[in-house]
Amino acid sequence: AQSVTQPDIHITVSEGASLELRCNYSYGATPYLFWYVQSPGQGLQLLLKYFSGDTLVQGIKGFEAEFKRSQSSFNLRKPSVHWSDAAEYFCAVGAQYSGTYKYIFGTGTRLKVLA
Amino acid sequence: DTGVSQNPRHKITKRGQNVTFRCDPISEHNRLYWYRQTLGQGPEFLTYFQNEAQLEKSRLLSDRFSAERPKGSFSTLEIQRTEQGDSAMYLCASRQDPGNTEAFFGQGTRLTVV
Repeated sequence: AQSVTQPDIHITVSEGASLELRCNYSYGATPYLFWYVQSPGQGLQLLLKYFSGDTLVQGIKGFEAEFKRSQSSFNLRKPSVHWSDAAEYFCAVGAQYSGTYKYIFGTGTRLKVLA
Repeated sequence: DTGVSQNPRHKITKRGQNVTFRCDPISEHNRLYWYRQTLGQGPEFLTYFQNEAQLEKSRLLSDRFSAERPKGSFSTLEIQRTEQGDSAMYLCASRQDPGNTEAFFGQGTRLTVV
């Protein structure tokens, strides 16, 4: 079955430290891949997306993600975390499922940033 | 364009009552999605509209749930005879096809059934 796995439920980093959030997906072909961020009580904001081409994609707020086909992974990274990055991060796959193009989300990784 | 708008932002209701949520997508977006998110989980697909046509409903959408998108503009999600298990964040998203592969989400409606 198609799925998205985010193995880290919680991650804590110090402000200024680097960050990597893991995402693995299961799908028969290369899907469209997304990272969204959600602040408490808010909706989802798109950070970045991958369709094809360069496997390293840049997003907003200084985030980037790398697609690795061989590992079915799409990990999110940021070189230096800011306190305002504390939020929940969701990896998602966009693909045709049962004839409908829709999105399958991972369970999310909650990021805590220490001052 | 201010993005996808959802109302109300919060709703507290007693078990057994009916509730209705509204979603106003980005204008001219022809695709509209409803998702449900419970605490500690990612959003789960509920239903999908292409213009005014509801093309798919998840098995999560019991008979107590109904969604409409008259004239292919705003959408409503109604829950009848609410149960405590319906407590969740209900998210609406839209996109334009062709044009977008990413979904643009609203702020969500937080439902609490007491």
